[in-house]
Amino acid sequence: NAGVTQTPKFQVLKTGQSMTLQCAQDMNHEYMSWYRQDPGMGLRLIHYSVGAGITDQGEVPNGYNVSRSTTEDFPLRLLSAAPSQTSVYFCASMEQIGREQFFGPGTRLTVL
Amino acid sequence: LAKTTQPISMDSYEGQEVNITCSHNNIATNDYITWYQQFPSQGPRFIIQGYKTKVTNEVASLFIPADRKSSTLSLPRVSLSDTAVYYCLVGGYNNNDMRFGAGTRLTVKP
Repeated sequence: NAGVTQTPKFQVLKTGQSMTLQCAQDMNHEYMSWYRQDPGMGLRLIHYSVGAGITDQGEVPNGYNVSRSTTEDFPLRLLSAAPSQTSVYFCASMEQIGREQFFGPGTRLTVL
Repeated sequence: LAKTTQPISMDSYEGQEVNITCSHNNIATNDYITWYQQFPSQGPRFIIQGYKTKVTNEVASLFIPADRKSSTLSLPRVSLSDTAVYYCLVGGYNNNDMRFGAGTRLTVKP
């Protein structure tokens, strides 16, 4: 099993550009989530999904969109990148809500 | 949402036992308590999870008092490689929005 994979590992954007961060898991987990982590801080929940076709907002959803068309994939879209979105983004999945979360390696995003 | 409070940082020496306490006064009946470890430039990694009393695995123990308003992660005989940030989370079947706090930065010294 590859677990949770994320692409790209690094990305540099200019203000106003859009992009999609990819996340995939091969563990057949229903629950997936996106976090951002700013330097020296804990992780903040952006969006999450409890199954295909079901998504909801977390703590810091503004400027981001998600969709969940399959159990395996949970892409995160930045609509119009801003310097405040410079961060490390982690995707995670878990079999059941409240259980162990498995995290991907992260995507380091810089917005100029 | 159950808010958690942990010490910002802790120092220890190799070979010592380290106990990190997390407060979660408004924990809900169905909430589990989960601890994660994070190294620089990596995603968090699950350490241990419990609901009540004591849970032990190959790397740590988790102590939860009867009122469940706090929990203590115990790391036996730490080594330099245990230097990391440790996060306490609470959440369960009725909580779709599990949140990380600021975590505890543990530094193990030789």
